Amino acid sequence: GDSVTQMEGPVTLSEEAFLTINCTYTATGYPSLFWYVQYPGEGLQLLLKATKADDKGSNKGFEATYRKETTSFHLEKGSVQVSDSAVYFCALSANLGNTPLVFGKGTRLSVIA
Amino acid sequence: SQTIHQWPATLVQPVGSPLSLECTVEGTSNPNLYWYRQAAGRGLQLLFYSVGIGQISSEVPQNLSASRPQDRQFILSSKKLLLSDSGFYLCAWRRDSPLHFGNGTRLTVT
Repeated sequence: GDSVTQMEGPVTLSEEAFLTINCTYTATGYPSLFWYVQYPGEGLQLLLKATKADDKGSNKGFEATYRKETTSFHLEKGSVQVSDSAVYFCALSANLGNTPLVFGKGTRLSVIA
Repeated sequence: SQTIHQWPATLVQPVGSPLSLECTVEGTSNPNLYWYRQAAGRGLQLLFYSVGIGQISSEVPQNLSASRPQDRQFILSSKKLLLSDSGFYLCAWRRDSPLHFGNGTRLTVT
């Protein structure tokens, strides 16, 4: 079945450092890919998405490119802030209809000043 | 615009007591509804999802159950809670869109 693998955390960075969180997937067909962010004590919020190969999703300085050839959707940000400290989840959906999303296990990011 | 409401925000219950968590969605019709659980330090586990009134799919066998009595209402229940039921419970919805989550319920079973 479909699956998502993302790098284990926690990841600790200094403010203004470059961030990469790796995410790879296994799926049949052409899934849509998502990154969600969960701040402490809250639900998950959609951060960005990409629905087809070579699409780049971006939001709040974060970017991720849908790479079909490497089945990857790595999350990047050029300069992290303390406020970016959260848990980040990579997810896929076989389609935008009824199929439940498949989530990775999450990567906790801590940014220190 | 669509909103999702989930309550209560926190709950402390003794082992063996019943549970009822409620989730409602506003601003859309016939959404797909989901219950996820997030145990401490772990990822998201899909518990139940529903594509319509009275239609429930269970992903994990356990002592929890779900019901959808109305189009935009999704309820998670248990007759007798176990210690292992402690966790963060998230309701979510989608309709030809990315998944949208509620703010979650922190359940502690003592």
